Amino acid sequence: KQEVTQIPAALSVPEGENLVLNCSFTDSAIYNLQWFRQDPGKGLTSLLLIQSSQREQTSGRLNASLDKSSGRSTLYIAASQPGDSATYLCAVLFTTGTASKLTFGTGTRLQVTL
Amino acid sequence: SQTIHQWPATLVQPVGSPLSLECTVEGTSNPNLYWYRQAAGRGLQLLFYSVGIGQISSEVPQNLSASRPQDRQFILSSKKLLLSDSGFYLCAWREGAATEAFFGQGTRLTVV
Repeated sequence: KQEVTQIPAALSVPEGENLVLNCSFTDSAIYNLQWFRQDPGKGLTSLLLIQSSQREQTSGRLNASLDKSSGRSTLYIAASQPGDSATYLCAVLFTTGTASKLTFGTGTRLQVTL
Repeated sequence: SQTIHQWPATLVQPVGSPLSLECTVEGTSNPNLYWYRQAAGRGLQLLFYSVGIGQISSEVPQNLSASRPQDRQFILSSKKLLLSDSGFYLCAWREGAATEAFFGQGTRLTVV
């Protein structure tokens, strides 16, 4: 069964700290992996998309890495700010199974404190 | 630029009543469209997806149905709502099978 797991489920850090969110997946046959942000009661905002042939992607203070062979991705947030507080979701597009189906982890709820 | 609209934002419906949630995408043609449900404390579950007008694939058996009457319109429906249909419903689109996915702002459905 293709599964996506995110650890930790919740994280609280003081402002200014660098942090890493983890995502693991059970099948290395993937098209891509996408990181999203979700604010309470809102939809998902796409942060970064990493294709299976790529090792990392960067956008501002965010850096996502992909190690397909070990089934892992990390989202690195530099110099965290209170506005970064949200739930971060990892989603994988596997090559087998339902076409175009994103499989989501249950997310990491991040709180950045002043 | 492309945008996705989803409405209503919130909805409270009695058990046994019908449902219609609408999603439209602007600025693109022939998108792949998706309906997901997010239950409290759980991950997102794919309900339906569509690769073209009139083409609907269902992921899980349930009380809901979907339709795509126009290229950029995706509708989620039910004839009679159940309490278990409560949840946060999200519409999403992508241009191709393996491109970046974009989500709407969601509809919070409460069945009472």
